[in-house]
Amino acid sequence: GAGVSQSPSNKVTEKGKDVELRCDPISGHTALYWYRQSLGQGLEFLIYFQGNSAPDKSGLPSDRFSAERTGGSVSTLTIQRTQQEDSAVYLCASSLEGLGYEQYFGPGTRLTVT
Amino acid sequence: AQSVSQHNHHVILSEAASLELGCNYSYGGTVNLFWYVQYPGQHLQLLLKYFSGDPLVKGIKGFEAEFIKSKFSFNLRKPSVQWSDTAEYFCAVNPYNQGGKLIFGQGTELSVKP
Repeated sequence: GAGVSQSPSNKVTEKGKDVELRCDPISGHTALYWYRQSLGQGLEFLIYFQGNSAPDKSGLPSDRFSAERTGGSVSTLTIQRTQQEDSAVYLCASSLEGLGYEQYFGPGTRLTVT
Repeated sequence: AQSVSQHNHHVILSEAASLELGCNYSYGGTVNLFWYVQYPGQHLQLLLKYFSGDPLVKGIKGFEAEFIKSKFSFNLRKPSVQWSDTAEYFCAVNPYNQGGKLIFGQGTELSVKP
């Protein structure tokens, strides 16, 4: 079946603008994760959804970052008033419900804030 | 704070050389352990995982890893590398009581010379 998809693949935005990044998980996967991959910071956890609820938002770097998930499927990560330090590759992953299941990663969205 | 440390940032080997990449984590409780690989231009994909049982686990493409609980380590090994193993390798820890959240190491870039 199809893997995790993310859109857009690349996004260039001006400092101060808002951006929305989308993730379509693998069908049937109830858990969804957002990570950020940047030079110097490596891969950082942002937020985790189980169904439509987010039991762990501990990785969101500031209140400019928010995410939602609807219908237990698609998720949107929103960054308001983007800053240059937000430039990174934003990765989405999904997995079956439960502890320790393999996470399948999408191709990522490369965000560049100018 | 919980962290994962990968000792080598960049490793250069010739084909047929043996590989060992170090990974140590700081977390006192039960963990699940993973190695992910990112080939150039591709998604992150799972190499192998450890949940419980035999501490020596085998993964895809001839890779294996050994969990040594007393040393908080999960080193990745391959007896004979190939040029196609050129990639970035990430160690990740999933603390048992934190959903599926992965804490990643900084990654090790492996370059294999033909």
